[in-house]
Amino acid sequence: DGGITQSPKYLFRKEGQNVTLSCEQNLNHDAMYWYRQDPGQGLRLIYYSQIVNDFQKGDIAEGYSVSREKKESFPLTVTSAQKNPTAFYLCASSYSGSRDEQFFGPGTRLTVL
Amino acid sequence: DQQVKQNSPSLSVQEGRISILNCDYTNSMFDYFLWYKKYPAEGPTFLISISSIKDKNEDGRFTVFLNKSAKHLSLHIVPSQPGDSAVYFCAASGGGTSYGKLTFGQGTILTVHP
Repeated sequence: DGGITQSPKYLFRKEGQNVTLSCEQNLNHDAMYWYRQDPGQGLRLIYYSQIVNDFQKGDIAEGYSVSREKKESFPLTVTSAQKNPTAFYLCASSYSGSRDEQFFGPGTRLTVL
Repeated sequence: DQQVKQNSPSLSVQEGRISILNCDYTNSMFDYFLWYKKYPAEGPTFLISISSIKDKNEDGRFTVFLNKSAKHLSLHIVPSQPGDSAVYFCAASGGGTSYGKLTFGQGTILTVHP
């Protein structure tokens, strides 16, 4: 089955700790994206990557970091510099340069205590 | 600056009736628009899209209309079914360096009553 997996589904961390969210896809997509969703708001783009070893900041990149060492994987690190990290995080992928839709993973709910 | 807006946070419709979800945008560079459906604690799933060279696109019960002069698009669901109850997001993308990058609206919660 092709798709996007995100793990874990729920994640709890203490304030001040860095945490890494996993995103893996086996759709052979070149482009991958990280979004954040807060209650009553749309999805806001954190980082995106059109190709391996390259990525760009989205609209709300402060306090986050990413890497893209493999085509299949695009992990997101939420650092202690992110002032309000509790949110629902969504990873997506698409064919690079395509006007086709982005495919989304099931999401990770991060709660910082 | 909210470039894509869905001004109705929620919509309630009777089963069998039409649901109309609206979306406005401000960026004239947007030339491709998509609608996504999302259930709680799940990722959004793609519903339908439309290019700016068209003013209508239809797929089964779902039709998207685009009015470029008004910078407005709408999603019509006919007939509405209880399983359509979800959050609906519109999204937009433009050409050039932002190719493939989507800007989402805030979402509209649709409730279809049996």
